[in-house]
Parts: sequence; structure tokens; C-alpha cells
Amino acid sequence: DTEVTQTPKHLVMGMTNKKSLKCEQHMGHRAMYWYKQKAKKPPELMFVYSYEKLSINESVPSRFSPECPNSSLLNLHLHALQPEDSALYLCASSRSGGNEQFFGPGTRLTVL
Amino acid sequence: LAKTTQPISMDSYEGQEVNITCSHNNIATNDYITWYQQFPSQGPRFIIQGYKTKVTNEVASLFIPADRKSSTLSLPRVSLSDTAVYYCLVGAPYLTSGTYKYIFGTGTRLKVLA
Repeated sequence: DTEVTQTPKHLVMGMTNKKSLKCEQHMGHRAMYWYKQKAKKPPELMFVYSYEKLSINESVPSRFSPECPNSSLLNLHLHALQPEDSALYLCASSRSGGNEQFFGPGTRLTVL
Repeated sequence: LAKTTQPISMDSYEGQEVNITCSHNNIATNDYITWYQQFPSQGPRFIIQGYKTKVTNEVASLFIPADRKSSTLSLPRVSLSDTAVYYCLVGAPYLTSGTYKYIFGTGTRLKVLA
């Protein structure tokens, strides 16, 4: 299985809502990533987990809260988001940091 | 961080070879060069990675001169389905003490015409 899955595919939420994005991989990869991508822009790194520990936090606002329950799962908890947080949220994994990254299809998030 | 510079866009015709060059003047000794392809509303897909000279796989070739200050992704005989954004990344292929150097640049929008 060489796939990274993300759920949901689409999410619409209000600014007071709490929601979570989920990412899963079964390739035995030990590094997992969250990226945010706005239209016609490159992906921006948000968080990196290495061996289930948060390794990198690219100064992301606290309304985004990552969680890595086990080596196959990565969550992104969302709370009190702003309309400018609307974007495609991409999850990726790799054997170790920086190597060939496998990306999921993304979650298209709209904040109203 | 090794900043990368790529052309913003390129047009080509089906069946032609396409070469996309990426400049990375301050590449570090431990840095590798990696290319990704991204279609609209999809996650990027790894194409190829190299350190020096030439690397070839089933979809592309990567040429890296001796000074490693630039690299060229070569796509042989492109088809309409190769229309996508191509990103060049430069960085060490491992995490180092809380810093991460694998940053996506602005990318090159390749349009393949019939």
C-alpha cells in the first residue's frame, strides 16, 4: 500500500466550529507532515512529526493543533479558524525526514 | 535555506522534450535536489531526486552540473497529461535538530499544447 489517505475530502466550517482533519498511511513511514496550500501558491509546511514526536512547528497559529496518535495516523484539529485559513490541507509521509514524500489528495477547507 | 529560482511558466508541444532549470546558488554540501509534479487540486507527486551528475528514472532525467548551483529536469516526449506545476526543492534528506530545509519554491507551470 503506497497511498496516503485524507478525510474528509471537503470541509466547510464556521469560525466557531471545532473540526479535525485525518491522515493515514500504512507504508511504515516514520515522518509525517502537514502542509497548507492556497490557490496558485506552493505548499507551505506547517508541522513535521518524526517518530510520532512533533519535530517542526513552522510558527503556526494555535488554532491549528496537530496530533500523532500512532505511527500511521496524523490529525489536525481546527478551532476558531478565520476565513483566510481556507485552503487545501495536504498530508505527506516519508521514510525519514526530507526523503521522497508521498502526498495525500488533500482536504479542501472552507471557513465561513 | 537554499532558495530556488525557476521560470514561472513554460509552454511546449506534445512529443517534445521539455527542460526546466532550477537555480540554487547557495546549495549546501549535504543538500539534495528533488522535483515534484502537482496537478490541480491534488497533492504533489515525487518525480526524481539527485545529488550530482545525472539521474534517470522511468519518467524523467535530472542533470546536475559539477558546481551544483543549478539543476535541470528533463521530461522526454511530453504529452497533454504532463500539464502541471513542477517544483524544485533543495535540502538535506533528513531532519536536523528542529530545522527543516525542504521548502517548496514557486514552481514552474508547464502547459503542453496539442
